[in-house]
Amino acid sequence: QVQLQESGPGLVKPSGTLSLTCVVSGDSISSINWWSWVRQPPGKGLEWIGEIFHIGTTNYNPSLKSRVTILVDKSKNQFSLKLSSVTAADTAVYYCASLYYYDGLPFFHHWGQGTLVTVSS
Amino acid sequence: DIQMTQSPSSLSASVGDRVTITCRASQSISNYLNWYQQKPGKAPNLLIYAASSLQSGVPSRFSGSGSGTDFTLTISSLQPEDFATYYCQQSYSSPRTFGQGTKLEIK
Repeated sequence: QVQLQESGPGLVKPSGTLSLTCVVSGDSISSINWWSWVRQPPGKGLEWIGEIFHIGTTNYNPSLKSRVTILVDKSKNQFSLKLSSVTAADTAVYYCASLYYYDGLPFFHHWGQGTLVTVSS
Repeated sequence: DIQMTQSPSSLSASVGDRVTITCRASQSISNYLNWYQQKPGKAPNLLIYAASSLQSGVPSRFSGSGSGTDFTLTISSLQPEDFATYYCQQSYSSPRTFGQGTKLEIK
């Protein structure tokens, strides 16, 4: 059973950097999946942040690209998210998820439980 | 970016009803369309992938159809556990985008 678990500070100051880690269990980070981050502001919809393949290839949402870094750590079977220069608009529940390709069609297969990050002084 | 528009944004229905939610893409996305269910305080859960393929473990009362720009999610007979918010999502091109969600409430 594949499980993903997010961790990181729940409170970040404005202009600071949001840092989260997602530990993967039940699957290797070096599998065929891509590994993604998705966020959801309170009471709002879902926004894709970006994704990484185990060899380090990344894709980012252009709306966030200048502020986002996603890295993979094979030794710990985990991947991470850094979002810099945060504002209150970055307050959201952050989810990590696996992106699985079936016959070339990708979908978000497994999700972490999500972690709320609040940007406030 | 490909914009995904769901309708309706909210819907009231009763147990046993047949419900249809539509999703329209701003350009053709072939069948690169997925549906998710999200309950309050929980992560989204995959229901349908590739427009019409039922994810393993998802009840057969859920079905998806469509191709190109217009897609539908149908629940054939609503059960109490189906009251939730539903999102469509395109994976045709980056950035991956979601619809705004359809909240299904009990009448």
